[in-house]
Amino acid sequence: NAGVMQNPRHLVRRRGQEARLRCSPMKGHSHVYWYRQLPEEGLKFMVYLQKENIIDESGMPKERFSAEFPKEGPSILRIQQVVRGDSAAYFCASSATRNYEQYFGPGTRLTVT
Amino acid sequence: GQQVMQIPQYQHVQEGEDFTTYCNSSTTLSNIQWYKQRPGGHPVFLIQLVKSGEVKKQKRLTFQFGEAKKNSSLHITATQTTDVGTYFCAGGGGADGLTFGKGTHLIIQP
Repeated sequence: NAGVMQNPRHLVRRRGQEARLRCSPMKGHSHVYWYRQLPEEGLKFMVYLQKENIIDESGMPKERFSAEFPKEGPSILRIQQVVRGDSAAYFCASSATRNYEQYFGPGTRLTVT
Repeated sequence: GQQVMQIPQYQHVQEGEDFTTYCNSSTTLSNIQWYKQRPGGHPVFLIQLVKSGEVKKQKRLTFQFGEAKKNSSLHITATQTTDVGTYFCAGGGGADGLTFGKGTHLIIQP
């Protein structure tokens, strides 16, 4: 009964490189959410996806950030040309339906040097 | 859009004292959820409240949902060091999905 899985757990990138964060939702969950968290701050919603569709991306920067949840495989959050301000913890969560409880993965800590 | 405000942002208590965090929404909610995040960890679902005026208990934790379904509270009786962490409320309502508050950081002094 695996929970939400994220990898890598820690990712170091130099400025200008690309970061790819992966999330495998809980078995049977088709709703995936990505959040960003800075130290001592709350969870900032980025994007909500349901298999193959982006439902709400209102929290995601218009440039450099993209997300997908293909029919097969994990959800991917992609950050192109990373900058120091992208350093944060990125959490993925999944749920069975939209307003049901969300189960969070352990997060990916991104550090941009 | 829906906004969820949570107070206080930080709360220092002595071990054994009680703790309460409050959550207020700008709109009527269909449900309210509470999560706990330990330092260095990830948010973990605690409970969901759905009915107006609902009260639920989990050992030393008491959760309330207001009559108007626009506010909620989490009360911890006789805090222990294991209660340390950040407590988030998240309001569910229609097309907006879940909106998280900024959380209350609970710091316990032994």
